[in-house]
Amino acid sequence: DQQVKQNSPSLSVQEGRISILNCDYTNSMFDYFLWYKKYPAEGPTFLISISSIKDKNEDGRFTVFLNKSAKHLSLHIVPSQPGDSAVYFCAASGTYKYIFGTGTRLKVLA
Amino acid sequence: NAGVTQTPKFRILKIGQSMTLQCTQDMNHNYMYWYRQDPGMGLKLIYYSVGAGITDKGEVPNGYNVSRSTTEDFPLRLELAAPSQTSVYFCASGSQYEQYFGPGTRLTVT
Repeated sequence: DQQVKQNSPSLSVQEGRISILNCDYTNSMFDYFLWYKKYPAEGPTFLISISSIKDKNEDGRFTVFLNKSAKHLSLHIVPSQPGDSAVYFCAASGTYKYIFGTGTRLKVLA
Repeated sequence: NAGVTQTPKFRILKIGQSMTLQCTQDMNHNYMYWYRQDPGMGLKLIYYSVGAGITDKGEVPNGYNVSRSTTEDFPLRLELAAPSQTSVYFCASGSQYEQYFGPGTRLTVT
């Protein structure tokens, strides 16, 4: 049973446009959500997070939105750059443990 | 600034062999984690630790063992390697709100 789902395995976006990556979860006990970025042959790197008491968090070009009633979060990247091309994972936490989605491969076209 | 280091980077094991994947962090984090990532999949939690002497099972613990005798080190032991354990293994350390990942160990069992 996949508690955290990223239903789009891949996404292509033109440079300068907005990239929107989506993530759905099923467990209402999750209270903290994170996004990670992963390049090939490297470990994931932390990007941005959001607590369940908020509905939005911004950090530069990256914004995460949380809709608790829909159990849905999204990562917006504006403007998208070729260096953003990577696999993006969302993760949810309710205790010490994290449950990861399967990832979305973002390709930003120059 | 070492962060999280993992050794070895690559390893090929024969079925039935054993090995230990090493993980060390220099950030004085209490929480440490082991994940595996299979092709096209997200990260699955194998084991985690909330402090020296304390470990607990994650989503996929079968076939693995861990120990945490110091804050810095969190080795993962594979006993009787099986082809199903072919994967990329990531160690991470951090808090409930952020994790720092090592570069990974690519393990092939044939």
